[in-house]
Amino acid sequence: GDSVTQMEGPVTLSEEAFLTINCTYTATGYPSLFWYVQYPGEGLQLLLKATKADDKGSNKGFEATYRKETTSFHLEKGSVQVSDSAVYFCALRSNSGGSNYKLTFGKGTLLTVNP
Amino acid sequence: SQTIHQWPATLVQPVGSPLSLECTVEGTSNPNLYWYRQAAGRGLQLLFYSVGIGQISSEVPQNLSASRPQDRQFILSSKKLLLSDSGFYLCAWRVQGGYEQYFGPGTRLTVT
Repeated sequence: GDSVTQMEGPVTLSEEAFLTINCTYTATGYPSLFWYVQYPGEGLQLLLKATKADDKGSNKGFEATYRKETTSFHLEKGSVQVSDSAVYFCALRSNSGGSNYKLTFGKGTLLTVNP
Repeated sequence: SQTIHQWPATLVQPVGSPLSLECTVEGTSNPNLYWYRQAAGRGLQLLFYSVGIGQISSEVPQNLSASRPQDRQFILSSKKLLLSDSGFYLCAWRVQGGYEQYFGPGTRLTVT
């Protein structure tokens, strides 16, 4: 079945540091890929997405590139801020068969950014 | 624009008591609706999804149930809560055939 593996962290960085959160996936066919962010006590917000190979999703300074050859969708940001402290989830949506109704999530990565 | 509401925001219930959590979506018609649980940490578990009124699919067998009495209303219920039901419950919606899901603010349930 489909699965998503992401570094569990926690990740602790200083403000303005470079961020990478690794995400790899297993899926049949060509899934769509997502990053969601969850701030403390809140629901999940879609951060960015990519629907086909080599697409780059970007939002709020975050970027992720859909790499089919390495089945990866790593999240990056060049300079993090304290306000980026949150839990980040990588997810995929299968585009094949009867599984395209649901998202498969990784376990989440807690990011803490210190001033 | 579309919005999704969940209530209550927090709930403390004793073991063995019933449960009813409600989710409503505004600004869209015939959405796919989802209930997730996030327990003791950060992972998300899909509990139920619905593609239309009265159509419920369960992903994980447990003492919870879901109903969709109206197009944009999704209810999560239990007749008798267990300690293990504690967690953060998230409702989500998706346009039929769309890519991404949009999440509500969540309900924090503590079973004592």
